[in-house]
Amino acid sequence: AQSVTQLDSQVPVFEEAPVELRCNYSSSVSVYLFWYVQYPNQGLQLLLKYLSGSTLVKGINGFEAEFNKSQTSFHLRKPSVHISDTAEYFCAVKPSSNYQLIWGAGTKLIIKP
Amino acid sequence: DGGITQSPKYLFRKEGQNVTLSCEQNLNHDAMYWYRQDPGQGLRLIYYSQIVNDFQKGDIAEGYSVSREKKESFPLTVTSAQKNPTAFYLCATAPYKAMRGDTQYFGPGTRLTVL
Repeated sequence: AQSVTQLDSQVPVFEEAPVELRCNYSSSVSVYLFWYVQYPNQGLQLLLKYLSGSTLVKGINGFEAEFNKSQTSFHLRKPSVHISDTAEYFCAVKPSSNYQLIWGAGTKLIIKP
Repeated sequence: DGGITQSPKYLFRKEGQNVTLSCEQNLNHDAMYWYRQDPGQGLRLIYYSQIVNDFQKGDIAEGYSVSREKKESFPLTVTSAQKNPTAFYLCATAPYKAMRGDTQYFGPGTRLTVL
């Protein structure tokens, strides 16, 4: 069975510091990988996705993620966070043989002034 | 203005009542989804539909029902059989059957509270 693990439920970080949000998955088939952001009481918005090709993917708002097939990871990074990045971030995986997205539990990014 | 609309934004239900959550899209997307979100649990799939007049159960379909009579609309009914319906409900759409790596686009959500 496929699964997605977001290792940290909350990540506190000072403003202008770098951040990494971790995501690991398990799957027996090839996958597509996604990161979404959710601001309070809103729907989700796509940050970036990996389908194929270069393993380093750049997204909106200065975020990027790197697909590591051997470690089955897709960690999200930003070199310098801003107070407006306060949100919950979800990693999701879609097996190539399936219509469904499999979701991680989410990581709340808390920016300290 | 293209997008996904969900109504109402907030909904209160008495125990034993059925309620229907609306999801409408004008993106011309084929696939539509309903998710339930509870704190600390990520998103769980309730139902999804790839074409009109067809839909499939997701992981937590018990106590819920849907219809897909029009491409633009995918209403979700929360029945009295759903024992713990208080949650945030999200509707999503995707361009074409979503077998590929198509992005899912989300509506703003409906927060349902049982009184």
